Amino acid sequence: EAQVTQNPRYLITVTGKKLTVTCSQNMNHEYMSWYRQDPGLGLRQIYYSMNVEVTDKGDVPEGYKVSRKEKRNFPLILESPSPNQTSLYFCASSLWTGSSYEQYFGPGTRLTVT
Amino acid sequence: DQQVKQNSPSLSVQEGRISILNCDYTNSMFDYFLWYKKYPAEGPTFLISISSIKDKNEDGRFTVFLNKSAKHLSLHIVPSQPGDSAVYFCAARITGTASKLTFGTGTRLQVTL
Repeated sequence: EAQVTQNPRYLITVTGKKLTVTCSQNMNHEYMSWYRQDPGLGLRQIYYSMNVEVTDKGDVPEGYKVSRKEKRNFPLILESPSPNQTSLYFCASSLWTGSSYEQYFGPGTRLTVT
Repeated sequence: DQQVKQNSPSLSVQEGRISILNCDYTNSMFDYFLWYKKYPAEGPTFLISISSIKDKNEDGRFTVFLNKSAKHLSLHIVPSQPGDSAVYFCAARITGTASKLTFGTGTRLQVTL
């Protein structure tokens, strides 16, 4: 079954304590992305990756890091979380074929930073 | 600056009728548009897409229309079903970027019996 998995699904942490949210896909997709969803703001892209070792900033990259050492994994790292990073986070992987498109989202990680 | 706008936060439609969800954009460099559906506690699910070289794309009950001159796209759902009740997001891709998408703020569709 094609899927994107994220862990953890829920996380409550304190300001400044480094954390990592993992993301893995089993579809051999080249493209992966991280989004955050906030009320009234929709989905905003944090970082995206076109392939292994190739990443680029999305619309709201401040305070986040990513890495893409393997094709299937794309972890999101918060080195020093702050309360304004409390949000719902989604990882996605996608495949463009030139004429068609597929994008699969993970189930989401709800992060609370106190 | 919101480059992709969904100006209706919510929409209520009777079962069996047509649902029309609208999306406006400002960036002329967008060349591909997508619609997603999202249920609570789940990730968004891809619904349908359209390239900027087309003005219509159909997939079963879902049809997306693109009016490039007006920078406007719409998603039609016919007939609407209660299971269609969800939040719908439109998204757009900038030419030459395979994975950089800009999303709208979403429209919550409620299909009533």
